[in-house]
Amino acid sequence: NAGVTQTPKFRVLKTGQSMTLLCAQDMNHEYMYWYRQDPGMGLRLIHYSVGEGTTAKGEVPDGYNVSRLKKQNFLLGLESAAPSQTSVYFCASSYFTDSGANVLTFGAGSRLTVL
Amino acid sequence: GENVEQHPSTLSVQEGDSAVIKCTYSDSASNYFPWYKQELGKRPQLIIDIRSNVGEKKDQRIAVTLNKTAKHFSLHITETQPEDSAVYFCVFVGRGKLIFGQGTELSVKP
Repeated sequence: NAGVTQTPKFRVLKTGQSMTLLCAQDMNHEYMYWYRQDPGMGLRLIHYSVGEGTTAKGEVPDGYNVSRLKKQNFLLGLESAAPSQTSVYFCASSYFTDSGANVLTFGAGSRLTVL
Repeated sequence: GENVEQHPSTLSVQEGDSAVIKCTYSDSASNYFPWYKQELGKRPQLIIDIRSNVGEKKDQRIAVTLNKTAKHFSLHITETQPEDSAVYFCVFVGRGKLIFGQGTELSVKP
């Protein structure tokens, strides 16, 4: 049981290049999320998904696209990377407990640098 | 709308003292209020949570209190230890999305 796995862990891009971050979970969770974390800014929600085939915008969606074609995978794409997208990206998945709690399990993070 | 404000942004205490972090929210639709801890270089992890039908919940040295009327919830850490040094986040949970507060960097000095 690997939990939430993010690939790649590190990546350096040039401005204008594109890339995709992959998040995979093996816990059969319905909900999946992408956050970015910048120094002093906490975690900001980029996009999220409440089930296979669904996606929704979070707090800072501009410049990113996502897809959830399979329940276990949530992809985050940058079509034309910009230096402002330099950040640490965290993927998370969650489930609702019988008591109504929504518990997040995070991946280890992906550090992206855009030059 | 869905918004959460967290204070203070930094907190420095002496080992053994208590620490309190407070969050206020604007949307009264949420019924679940969790707190996450993130140690340096690591991923956030849930440390305690509370449902809206409960006013207080304790787990050893940490506790969370909720005031739904005033729309705020607080994290209390007693008898702080150096290993409590980390960034703490409150989270607003609403309509499928989880919004993190700005974070509080707690430093416990031995």
